[in-house]
Amino acid sequence: DGGITQSPKYLFRKEGQNVTLSCEQNLNHDAMYWYRQDPGQGLRLIYYSQIVNDFQKGDIAEGYSVSREKKESFPLTVTSAQKNPTAFYLCASSMRLRLAGADTQYFGPGTRLTVL
Amino acid sequence: AQRVTQPEKLLSVFKGAPVELKCNYSYSGSPELFWYVQYSRQRLQLLLRHISRESIKGFTADLNKGETSFHLKKPFAQEEDSAMYYCALSGLRGAGGTSYGKLTFGQGTILTVHP
Repeated sequence: DGGITQSPKYLFRKEGQNVTLSCEQNLNHDAMYWYRQDPGQGLRLIYYSQIVNDFQKGDIAEGYSVSREKKESFPLTVTSAQKNPTAFYLCASSMRLRLAGADTQYFGPGTRLTVL
Repeated sequence: AQRVTQPEKLLSVFKGAPVELKCNYSYSGSPELFWYVQYSRQRLQLLLRHISRESIKGFTADLNKGETSFHLKKPFAQEEDSAMYYCALSGLRGAGGTSYGKLTFGQGTILTVHP
C-alpha cells in the first residue's frame, strides 16, 4: 500500500495552536487533495491542487491552509481559526484533474487529529 | 451544486443474500459516478466506476440517469464484503463555475455481512 503516505497517524493539539499534517506521494501524480472524514458526513473536500504552486479551496476550506511547493508534497495546516478541528483527515492523489472528469484517486492511511 | 445521497447509514445482510447499496445524486450536467470502499484497517480504495462498466468482486452498478441513481448490487454477499462504502460523483464544469473533476462523496453506508 505504499505510494502515498501521511504522518503522523495520531496528532493531539491544544486549542489555539496551529498544526501541520504531512502528505507525500511518490506516484508522480499531478493532483492532490485533502478531505475531512466525520461520522455520518462522508468525506468533505478541504483543498485540492492540480499542479505545483497552485491550489484551490474545496467545500470546507475555512480554518485550513495548504501549500504545494513540490509535486510530491501537499501539507495541510489546521489553524486555530478552525472551529471544530477534531476529525480524521485523508490525503489523496490522482494522475490529473481532467476536463472530462476525475481520474481514480488514491488515498493515504489518514491522520486522526484530536484537539484537547 | 452537486450532491450525493446514500440513504442507509447501516445495512446488514446474511451471507449468500443479495445486497443493494443505494446512491442517488443531484447534478445538472453529465456526471461520472464511482463507488469507493474502505475495509477494516485498510485505506479507502476505488471499487468501480460507471464509465468502465466492470464487475469488481461480483459488484455491479448501473447509472440510471432518469432516476439519478447509481445503486451498487451484488447477488450473493460474502463476509469479506463487510466494509464502509462511499458513492462519489465527479461533474464537468457547470455554468455556476463549479470546478470539474472534483469528487463529491455521499455520507457512506456500513455494510455488515453476517455468517
